[in-house]
Parts: sequence; structure tokens; C-alpha cells
Amino acid sequence: DTAVSQTPKYLVTQMGNDKSIKCEQNLGHDTMYWYKQDSKKFLKIMFSYNNKELIINETVPNRFSPKSPDKAHLNLHINSLELGDSAVYFCASKDSGANVLTFGAGSRLTVL
Amino acid sequence: GEDVEQSLFLSVREGDSSVINCTYTDSSSTYLYWYKQEPGAGLQLLTYIFSNMDMKQDQRLTVLLNKKDKHLSLRIADTQTGDSAIYFCAALPDTGRRALTFGSGTRLQVQP
Repeated sequence: DTAVSQTPKYLVTQMGNDKSIKCEQNLGHDTMYWYKQDSKKFLKIMFSYNNKELIINETVPNRFSPKSPDKAHLNLHINSLELGDSAVYFCASKDSGANVLTFGAGSRLTVL
Repeated sequence: GEDVEQSLFLSVREGDSSVINCTYTDSSSTYLYWYKQEPGAGLQLLTYIFSNMDMKQDQRLTVLLNKKDKHLSLRIADTQTGDSAIYFCAALPDTGRRALTFGSGTRLQVQP
């Protein structure tokens, strides 16, 4: 039973489109994250939610909008996609008092 | 904020030991991690160490922490071709913005 699941695993789309990536965790964690891994493999935090409240919002274009309908879900919506948005997006979760993050398998977004 | 640095590449022969080094800047980082990423795959947590420890050993893996110099290393004994991957060092602060900050990753190539 997958602990942190992301959908879709692969997404290929045209510039200018709007797309969403979904993340769900069944671990009962209350904190969730989105990380972006670029083509050089650099991993950067984008957002974090704790109990549906946004607690980390890095310098990310406002075309990116996270949404957390409940503490088990954290979705990422991207408007007006650009070539530079091509990356692997990783979702992760943990308990607020814990120190180990569990990562999803990643969603590879390719913008043509 | 935290800054984590690693060398980009390491090549070893099968059976040798590998040592991957990492430095970090934020002395409030209380947990330090090593993740492994194989090609096309997600992030696998290998091990982590709490900042009040100097060393942690787990089978072929040995983590050394020099808190004074803010230096972390991962030693892999008897390196195998299956160990070829990118290894990421990461730090988690105890307060404030509680998200993992990753290094740039060290690509380990194991020659048969």
C-alpha cells in the first residue's frame, strides 16, 4: 500500500496550458511538502502545508498554486506552463513532531 | 537560510570504500540525512544522524558528523555496482522553517 502517492507519474503538455499534480498520503501525517528537482538534479522546497495551512512558500512564481483540501492531500496547480517548469516534482509528508520525511515517487512534467 | 554543499562526482572501483562529503552552514540543523536516488527513481532515505551524535553505523554505511566544522560524510564499505546513484545530503533545522534543505547531490560511479 503506497504511503505517498502522486499522480500522474508522467505529464507531457504544451506551453501555456494549465495542469495539476495530485498528492495523497495515507500515513496520517499532518505536514506535506512540494519539492522541485530540475534537470541538474537540484532539489528545492516550494511549499509546505501543516494541517491545511500554508507554512512555507518559497520564491515561486504565482502561476504555481498549492491546494490542501485536507491534511492527507496536497495538490499543485500550475497555470500558463513555461518550458522552465519542466522538472520532476516530489511530494513528501511527515508528522510535525517527527524528523523523517516520506517522499512520493515523483511526477515528471515535460513542457514542450 | 541553510546552505548545503557537496562535490558533484565520485568514481570508485567495485570493492573499494566510497566517501561522500557534505558541508552545511546552519548550526541549528539538528538532523542530517543521506538520500539515494537511482536513475529515474524517487528519493530513498538511507540513514540520518542527530546532531548530538558523532557517528552512526548501519551495515555497510557509516555516517560521520563533525558539528564544529559542520561537516558530514557517508562512507560506503565494499562498494558495489548497485551503489551507483546520486547521493544527497540534507539538513533539517530545529526551529523556524522546518523543511529539508538538500545539497546538489554527488553522483557515485562504481567501476567493475
